Amino acid sequence: DAGITQSPRHKVTETGTPVTLRCHQTENHRYMYWYRQDPGHGLRLIHYSYGVKDTDKGEVSDGYSVSRSKTEDFLLTLESATSSQTSVYFCAISTGQGRQPQHFGDGTRLSIL
Amino acid sequence: GNSVTQMEGPVTLSEEAFLTINCTYTATGYPSLFWYVQYPGEGLQLLLKATKADDKGSNKGFEATYRKETTSFHLEKGSVQVSDSAVYFCALSDPQGGSEKLVFGKGTKLTVNP
Repeated sequence: DAGITQSPRHKVTETGTPVTLRCHQTENHRYMYWYRQDPGHGLRLIHYSYGVKDTDKGEVSDGYSVSRSKTEDFLLTLESATSSQTSVYFCAISTGQGRQPQHFGDGTRLSIL
Repeated sequence: GNSVTQMEGPVTLSEEAFLTINCTYTATGYPSLFWYVQYPGEGLQLLLKATKADDKGSNKGFEATYRKETTSFHLEKGSVQVSDSAVYFCALSDPQGGSEKLVFGKGTKLTVNP
């Protein structure tokens, strides 16, 4: 267990509402990531962080923002949710050599109606 | 651009059968290659990796060899178990964008029957 907790695990909300997903790690790993998983697309990187207040965009960052004010927490925000953002969201961390993610959380299933 | 193509599933095998899941890639430069596994209801876990040509990654009885000449990284296991039932993802790291930016295949679902 790499000590990754995602919250909430499930959420249903309406188009146009703001949504924030939280990823919490119990160890002081530097690299954290947010991915979305959709049928037929595999996983796609939304944003990642390489330290407190240090973040960068992935391949599908439009409509999403992130913040990392503490090492252990990485927040993903949908400022105004759209139906195309219905997906399963995974947080991941890099725990060892190399900056690629080694461990993923159990996911947040988000439905935008 | 960089891309990963996996064999489409689902794949259904009997216990103790030999497993091959094909993965080919397109990339500029020299990417690192990875296999991830996702068990039902869970997030992905890194299964194995290889960072240069001819490297063999191995873990839990699974193996994959980085073949630059055929741009492939096929996953193999000699004798699968019911507990290997999962979705397997091949991925590469963008050699120009940094190893944070993995490109994933679409996944191959494996079901192993007793």
